[in-house]
Amino acid sequence: AQSVTQLGSHVSVSEGALVLLRCNYSSSVPPYLFWYVQYPNQGLQLLLKYTSAATLVKGINGFEAEFKKSETSFHLTKPSAHMSDAAEYFCAVSDYTGGFKTIFGAGTRLFVKA
Amino acid sequence: EPEVTQTPSHQVTQMGQEVILRCVPISNHLYFYWYRQILGQKVEFLVSFYNNEISEKSEIFDDQFSVERPDGSNFTLKIRSTKLEDSAMYFCASRDSGGTGELFFGEGSRLTVL
Repeated sequence: AQSVTQLGSHVSVSEGALVLLRCNYSSSVPPYLFWYVQYPNQGLQLLLKYTSAATLVKGINGFEAEFKKSETSFHLTKPSAHMSDAAEYFCAVSDYTGGFKTIFGAGTRLFVKA
Repeated sequence: EPEVTQTPSHQVTQMGQEVILRCVPISNHLYFYWYRQILGQKVEFLVSFYNNEISEKSEIFDDQFSVERPDGSNFTLKIRSTKLEDSAMYFCASRDSGGTGELFFGEGSRLTVL
């Protein structure tokens, strides 16, 4: 069965600093991986997705993530944090064995300090 | 851009009452899902639905829950007798038959059980 582990339930960075949110996955077959962002009292917005093409995936709002099979990781990065990036971020995995049911990690709340 | 729509956005109900949450998936999508997010917690899979039947359900999806596609456009989640612990945000999602596995989520329906 698929699973996702997000390291750090809270991450705090200064505005302009590097953002790094960690995600490790478990899947018995090649996975599809996703990062979603959720702003307070809102729905889930897809930031980016890995679907077995390029291992470095670029998403919206300047975010990117790199799929590393050897490390079973899909960490999310952004070179320079902006105040508007403060939100909850969810890493998620799916694969065909689960009928493409998407399994979410516990989430990481990103705080951005001025 | 096509989107998944959910109604109501917020519903308040008394414990023991029946609740129906409604979703209109993207029109050419064939796979439908419900997820639940208790306040401050992770997004949890409830059920997947394809070809007018449940494909998979989680242990959360007990006999109090049911899903239905009553016509060609709506996909509903019914909770027969609500409990306090059913208070959560409920997300509907859909996907097409393509191979990326990406789910498209609605904005959610917040259920408050008093």
